[in-house]
Amino acid sequence: QSALTQPPSASGSPGQSVTISCTGTSSDIGGYNYVSWYQQHPGKAPKLMIYEVTKRPSGVPDRFSGSKSGNTASLTVSGLQGEDEADYYCSSYAGSNNWVFGTGTKVTVL
Amino acid sequence: EMQLVESGGGLVQPGGSLRLSCAASGSTLRTSWMTWVRQAPGKGLEWVANIKEDGSQKNYVDSVKGRFTISRDNAKNSLYLQMNSLRTEDTAVYYCVKDGFWTFENWGQGTLVTVSS
Repeated sequence: QSALTQPPSASGSPGQSVTISCTGTSSDIGGYNYVSWYQQHPGKAPKLMIYEVTKRPSGVPDRFSGSKSGNTASLTVSGLQGEDEADYYCSSYAGSNNWVFGTGTKVTVL
Repeated sequence: EMQLVESGGGLVQPGGSLRLSCAASGSTLRTSWMTWVRQAPGKGLEWVANIKEDGSQKNYVDSVKGRFTISRDNAKNSLYLQMNSLRTEDTAVYYCVKDGFWTFENWGQGTLVTVSS
């Protein structure tokens, strides 16, 4: 069960957009539409932001959106705000009741 | 809204054991798969184990198979992780997570496990 690959960092100015990629294989991301994204502020627990590739839980701003193409999923944060500065992790179902997380991306708001 | 509170973390020597507990309030756990996720200091998230609603199915990441056991007590609205033969690489914050529909919906604040001599 290898971790999904994310860029270590991404950044943008307030109001701009940033997109984070999450690359896996046909055994995880490519095989299922069960990709989620989590936001984690320093010293805090992760928070679910996107599930089933594109769905947002209640209370998550519509500035956050998800997509998938082949073995790569993406999270886009539009209209960046200071509170969006955090670590972001993707996860995917990997079959046989196993799950895998991404390596994590630190988003900086310039 | 559901709250999950982990306990039982601490400092243990290599080869030792710890039992983590997770108490839920505000909602019942009995209708949900439950999961343990860990995060080593300064590192990313790692799925550790999960358990079906009635406890009849359990799954583990390869690195903990044969050493960790996940269990639950629905009457007590609680989840557990028995960790034996602990290694230094098991050092991490351990999160209790309530599964949603194919996702990890609610997270506890975590409990730190440090394996060191």
